Amino acid sequence: DSGVTQTPKHLITATGQRVTLRCSPRSGDLSVYWYQQSLDQGLQFLIQYYNGEERAKGNILERFSAQQFPDLHSELNLSSLELGDSALYFCASSAGLAGGGTGELFFGEGSRLTVL
Amino acid sequence: GQQVMQIPQYQHVQEGEDFTTYCNSSTTLSNIQWYKQRPGGHPVFLIQLVKSGEVKKQKRLTFQFGEAKKNSSLHITATQTTDVGTYFCAGPMYSGGGADGLTFGKGTHLIIQP
Repeated sequence: DSGVTQTPKHLITATGQRVTLRCSPRSGDLSVYWYQQSLDQGLQFLIQYYNGEERAKGNILERFSAQQFPDLHSELNLSSLELGDSALYFCASSAGLAGGGTGELFFGEGSRLTVL
Repeated sequence: GQQVMQIPQYQHVQEGEDFTTYCNSSTTLSNIQWYKQRPGGHPVFLIQLVKSGEVKKQKRLTFQFGEAKKNSSLHITATQTTDVGTYFCAGPMYSGGGADGLTFGKGTHLIIQP
């Protein structure tokens, strides 16, 4: 158990819909990262938050957005869903050094999104 | 942009044979991390290498960081069925505020035939 909690574990929805994925980081971790994993595509970095503020942005589509709340949990919002958005979405957390740096990432079990 | 390449993409070995996966970065890395993802699971941290030429061992696993800090390797001696999974290397991404997040390679899928 990594200590990172993601909900829901599975989600099936239709094209054009909107979903929200939720992540609770490990206790004390200030950084939250979102990754997308598609078949044979490895782990694509989407976005990172540190203590409530956006820290780094990767290949995140404009239809996707995220935020980190004061209690440090994070949500990833996916809208106008397309078939190609079907993937496993991982949240990870780290202690997040104040001066930058990453340290070890602890991953949740992921949210599997299927868009029909 | 910064890229981390891994080869091979797939590796089939007989149980008991050795296995090696290689990781190459387009830029010099301050550190490199390795993760393992079991089938149906989530990535789990294995190790972080920081120093040029560093070699670290964990039982049957040997990790190396190249002298130029642009490549790394993971070698498993005498593979066992429990080694099945995908091995990822990951290097830090840099933004204006410093190192943020990790760029992952596409991983090497290790398949073991008993």
